[in-house]
This record gives sequence, C-alpha cells and structure tokens, in this order.
Amino acid sequence: AQSVSQHNHHVILSEAASLELGCNYSYGGTVNLFWYVQYPGQHLQLLLKYFSGDPLVKGIKGFEAEFIKSKFSFNLRKPSVQWSDTAEYFCAVANTNAGKSTFGDGTTLTVKP
Amino acid sequence: DTGVSQDPRHKITKRGQNVTFRCDPISEHNRLYWYRQTLGQGPEFLTYFQNEAQLEKSRLLSDRFSAERPKGSFSTLEIQRTEQGDSAMYLCASSLAGAGMDYGYTFGSGTRLTVV
Repeated sequence: AQSVSQHNHHVILSEAASLELGCNYSYGGTVNLFWYVQYPGQHLQLLLKYFSGDPLVKGIKGFEAEFIKSKFSFNLRKPSVQWSDTAEYFCAVANTNAGKSTFGDGTTLTVKP
Repeated sequence: DTGVSQDPRHKITKRGQNVTFRCDPISEHNRLYWYRQTLGQGPEFLTYFQNEAQLEKSRLLSDRFSAERPKGSFSTLEIQRTEQGDSAMYLCASSLAGAGMDYGYTFGSGTRLTVV
C-alpha cells in the first residue's frame, strides 16, 4: 500500500524567508504527485501536480516542487513566503493504477508578518 | 460551473441515527471521491466512483457506510447507526482522470458531522 510522510508538522517562518516542506512517499511504481493547500476557513485546493517529464514543477502563487525519484521525495519550495501563505499544506500520491490519492497528515505553515 | 458542492455543511446527530450526505461534482469530471478528515490528520480515503461505477471502497470502512452515484452524476454517502467515532469532516472531491493519469482533485467544502 502506498503511504505519504510529511515530517514537518508545524513550520513557523518570518515573511521573506525561504520555505521547504518535506514529502516522502512509499510506492515503487509510477506515481502522480500533488500538493494541496488549505487556507484558513477555506476548502482544500490544488497547488501543483507532477505526472512526468521535468521533475521541477511550478504551481500557483510562486510555489514549486521537485520530484526526486531516487529519494521518493516531492518537496515543496517557495523562495520568499508571504503572510498570506499561512495555511495547511498536504502532499498526496496516486499510483497510476490505483486511482485514488493517499494524503500525508499535513504541515501547518505560519508566516509571521 | 460553481465547483463541487456538498450538502449539508454541518450535521449534528444522535448516536444510532442514520445520516446521508450529498455531493454534486463538477459536471465534466468523471471521478468522484469521498474522504474523511479528522483534526490533525490528512484526508482518509473512503470510496470512489468512475462515472456510475464504484471502483474501490476502503477495506477499513465499516459496512455501516454506503455510497451511491446514480447515473454518474451526484453522489450520496450514508452512514447507518452512527457512532461517536464517526464524527469528522466528510470531504467530496471530483477529478478528470484517464490513461493512468489523474489531473488532481477539486474539493468541496465538506460536511462536518458531529455525533452526540
């Protein structure tokens, strides 16, 4: 069965700091990878996704993620965070045969103004 | 299209009662998913449909849970004989998928169930 680990449960940064949130998954086959974000009081929304090709994918609001197959990782990055990035971030993986996505337990990001 | 809508937003029920939730997905999407989320956890998979066919149901899911998607449109999730442990946010999502790829979920706002 596939699983997803997000090692950072809560990250606190000051505005303009750089961000990297870790995501590791366990599955040996071909995967689709996703990051979702949930802003306070809002529903989950897709931030970015990886299917194939360039392992560095860019999403909305300046976020990017890098797929490193050898490390089974898909870390989320942003060079300079803003207060409005305060949210909960979820990594998800779907193997291309199973259909469903498996989610990590999320990382809460707090950005201090 | 206004996205994925779920009804009701909140439901409080007494232990032992049955509850039913509804989800209306994005019309162009062929997949519909149900997840459950509790505080501090990520969404936990319950079941999903491709068009009207229920393709997978979580092995951890009690027989008290059942879902339908008649005619491949909206879906309902029913919980029979609710227990306090069923208290959670129930999330519906839809997606466009095919040929080994899923383009990512669009989530609804969820139904928060409280069993008292």
